[in-house]
Amino acid sequence: GDSVTQMEGPVTLSEEAFLTINCTYTATGYPSLFWYVQYPGEGLQLLLKATKADDKGSNKGFEATYRKETTSFHLEKGSVQVSDSAVYFCALSSKRGSTLGRLYFGRGTQLTVWP
Amino acid sequence: NAGVTQTPKFQVLKTGQSMTLQCAQDMNHEYMSWYRQDPGMGLRLIHYSVGAGITDQGEVPNGYNVSRSTTEDFPLRLLSAAPSQTSVYFCASSYSGGSSEAFFGQGTRLTVV
Repeated sequence: GDSVTQMEGPVTLSEEAFLTINCTYTATGYPSLFWYVQYPGEGLQLLLKATKADDKGSNKGFEATYRKETTSFHLEKGSVQVSDSAVYFCALSSKRGSTLGRLYFGRGTQLTVWP
Repeated sequence: NAGVTQTPKFQVLKTGQSMTLQCAQDMNHEYMSWYRQDPGMGLRLIHYSVGAGITDQGEVPNGYNVSRSTTEDFPLRLLSAAPSQTSVYFCASSYSGGSSEAFFGQGTRLTVV
């Protein structure tokens, strides 16, 4: 079945450091891919998405590219800030008929950025 | 625009009690779902609905019931609470189609003692 595997944390960085959080997926067909972010005490909110191969999603300095050949969607940011401290979830949305629209999540990666 | 509204935000139950977690959305989304979030487990799908009158089970449906009588509301019922149901519960909604962003509620933190 469809699934997502993401790098488990926690990840601790100094401000202005480079961030990569790895995410790979298994899916039948061509799913949509998402990164969601969860700040303390809140629900998840969409950070970025890509709906087809080679698409690049970007938002707030974060980027991720849909790589079909490596089934990956790694999250990157060139210079993190303290305000980026949160839990990050990689997810895929099935486009198959029987599970259309169903979201599959990775286990989440806790990021802490120190000043 | 309220988005997805969940109530209550916090709840403590005794083992064996029943309760309903409420979820409402005002975006006319067809797809609604309930997840539970446990440490180190990510989000696991409990039940979902692709439209009014249609529901289906997710990964961890045991001990929970849902119904979808309107497009806006998707309540989750715990039939007889158990300590293993201590968790944070999230409701989400989206347009159907597989490419749409899901919008999440703020969550309900449930403790069963």
